[in-house]
Amino acid sequence: SQTIHQWPATLVQPVGSPLSLECTVEGTSNPNLYWYRQAAGRGLQLLFYSVGIGQISSEVPQNLSASRPQDRQFILSSKKLLLSDSGFYLCAWNNLPYNEQFFGPGTRLTVL
Amino acid sequence: KQEVTQIPAALSVPEGENLVLNCSFTDSAIYNLQWFRQDPGKGLTSLLLIQSSQREQTSGRLNASLDKSSGRSTLYIAASQPGDSATYLCAPLGGGFKTIFGAGTRLFVKA
Repeated sequence: SQTIHQWPATLVQPVGSPLSLECTVEGTSNPNLYWYRQAAGRGLQLLFYSVGIGQISSEVPQNLSASRPQDRQFILSSKKLLLSDSGFYLCAWNNLPYNEQFFGPGTRLTVL
Repeated sequence: KQEVTQIPAALSVPEGENLVLNCSFTDSAIYNLQWFRQDPGKGLTSLLLIQSSQREQTSGRLNASLDKSSGRSTLYIAASQPGDSATYLCAPLGGGFKTIFGAGTRLFVKA
């Protein structure tokens, strides 16, 4: 069966510090991978999606970036965090663009 | 641009009640619609996926319907239980394979 992991589970970072969140999927190959952010009191916002290694599409211009160095690994990064980057970051996958999406447990990021 | 509205925003019901959660979307050109539940501080759990060619899907006490032409979907929960307490999100998948989420309905089922 497929499993999706995210780490860390929680993170507290000062403004201006770098960020690296990791997502890995087990039990499937060549998945579509997604990064979402859920800000307090707001809905989920799609940040990035990837259909293959090295292929990244950005949905929202901001100081975040994403990379996919391996088939089942998706990384969300920032060089300098802003207060507005605080939120709940969720990774998701599916095996075809119009198929069911499955989500990871999320990373709670607080920028102080 | 797809906009998704979920009504009601919050709902409190006694245990055992049947209830309906509503989802409306502005762009009917969708590939599918997915319903999720989210427990506080947790990720999303997929409940049901309805493809655009389907009218409804059922899983246990849950039944979701889709009327693509009118831009509506409903999630019916039968015989609600305290364990059903969570936020329910609907998410149609549209052009560019982008999934747009509603703000959710917060459900509280009282024992």
